Amino acid sequence: SQQGEEDPQALSIQEGENATMNCSYKTSINNLQWYRQNSGRGLVHLILIRSNEREKHSGRLRVTLDTSKKSSSLLITASRAADTASYFCATDQGGSYIPTFGRGTSLIVHP
Amino acid sequence: ETGVTQTPRHLVMGMTNKKSLKCEQHLGHNAMYWYKQSAKKPLELMFVYSLEERVENNSVPSRFSPECPNSSHLFLHLHTLQPEDSALYLCASSQDGSGNYEQYFGPGTRLTVT
Repeated sequence: SQQGEEDPQALSIQEGENATMNCSYKTSINNLQWYRQNSGRGLVHLILIRSNEREKHSGRLRVTLDTSKKSSSLLITASRAADTASYFCATDQGGSYIPTFGRGTSLIVHP
Repeated sequence: ETGVTQTPRHLVMGMTNKKSLKCEQHLGHNAMYWYKQSAKKPLELMFVYSLEERVENNSVPSRFSPECPNSSHLFLHLHTLQPEDSALYLCASSQDGSGNYEQYFGPGTRLTVT
């Protein structure tokens, strides 16, 4: 069954605004990863956060992980039109790594 | 450029054809993956190879046949496909199959089955 589920399915914002998307999962995990996909292209890895970490930063990206709520969030600050893409979370099944992706959040940033 | 290349980028084939997708990684990784991405559906893991041995086969129909001759190359052999197999096929690699490392994806092969 699907492990990670992103929310919202679609997000439309203006350039300069912040974008927040969430990922919920069902079973315990070893780590959670966020990826970006531009239309019809391959996925690009953004951040990996391990189960014993609560927050990680990379440039304008901030990822949080709450294992008690089985959820993670990805915050993109000061968004740009180039951030327009689909964003996916990927989780393992806790014990053996079978990467499972959600359906993704489609982000549109209007210039 | 992620260090993972896929060929061809686009493929149109009939249901009776036989074709192969190729993936090559230049990262020195030990694990490689095939995914299928269809519209409106989550990314589906098809096959996982770790150190050239298949470690996961997610109940994929036998009309898809993977081959991993060495840790840098991965193939997906296709035969007697169905129209519902039309999708974007993505290859990925990671340092190992433990799940502790990120995956690097190729650009994908857009497959259309007519």
